Amino acid sequence: DSGVTQTPKHLITATGQRVTLRCSPRSGDLSVYWYQQSLDQGLQFLIQYYNGEERAKGNILERFSAQQFPDLHSELNLSSLELGDSALYFCASSVQGSGQETQYFGPGTRLLVL
Amino acid sequence: QQPVQSPQAVILREGEDAVINCSSSKALYSVHWYRQKHGEAPVFLMILLKGGEQKGHDKISASFNEKKQQSSLYLTASQLSYSGTYFCGTELNNTNAGKSTFGDGTTLTVKP
Repeated sequence: DSGVTQTPKHLITATGQRVTLRCSPRSGDLSVYWYQQSLDQGLQFLIQYYNGEERAKGNILERFSAQQFPDLHSELNLSSLELGDSALYFCASSVQGSGQETQYFGPGTRLLVL
Repeated sequence: QQPVQSPQAVILREGEDAVINCSSSKALYSVHWYRQKHGEAPVFLMILLKGGEQKGHDKISASFNEKKQQSSLYLTASQLSYSGTYFCGTELNNTNAGKSTFGDGTTLTVKP
């Protein structure tokens, strides 16, 4: 158990819908990262937050948005869902969000868009 | 740019050694290594920073050759528990620290 929690574990929805994925970092970690893992594209970095502020942005679609709240939990919002958005979505956390730290991954949310 | 991992897959017997490579066409700031078992989240193994260093964790170690922009993961005396997919994640500089790009993974199977 990494100490990072994600909800829900599984999500099944239809194309065009909007969903919200939630992540609670390890106690004491200020930085949260979101990743997408699909069969055809592997592990992709989406976005990173540090203490409520966006720090780095990766291959995140405009239909996707995220935020980190004052209590440091983070939410990833996916809208206008397409079949290709079906994937595992992981969040990870680290203490300071530098490139020199361990990232601890949550168990992931498996999203299936039908 | 995505790092290239090699080999794509390797099958070993318990006790054998393996090397997994991660190469980049761009100068790297850091390299991370993770292991992911089927249906589970990636688990961090180690981080290496530019400047060339080697790290070890039990019977798993890694090196980072800054000149070649390549990192290698060494698994010695492999155990059944080593089976899984190994990913390297690379970062190009400190200003975008956290913005990792991952290789496609190397699937390691250790057989009794």
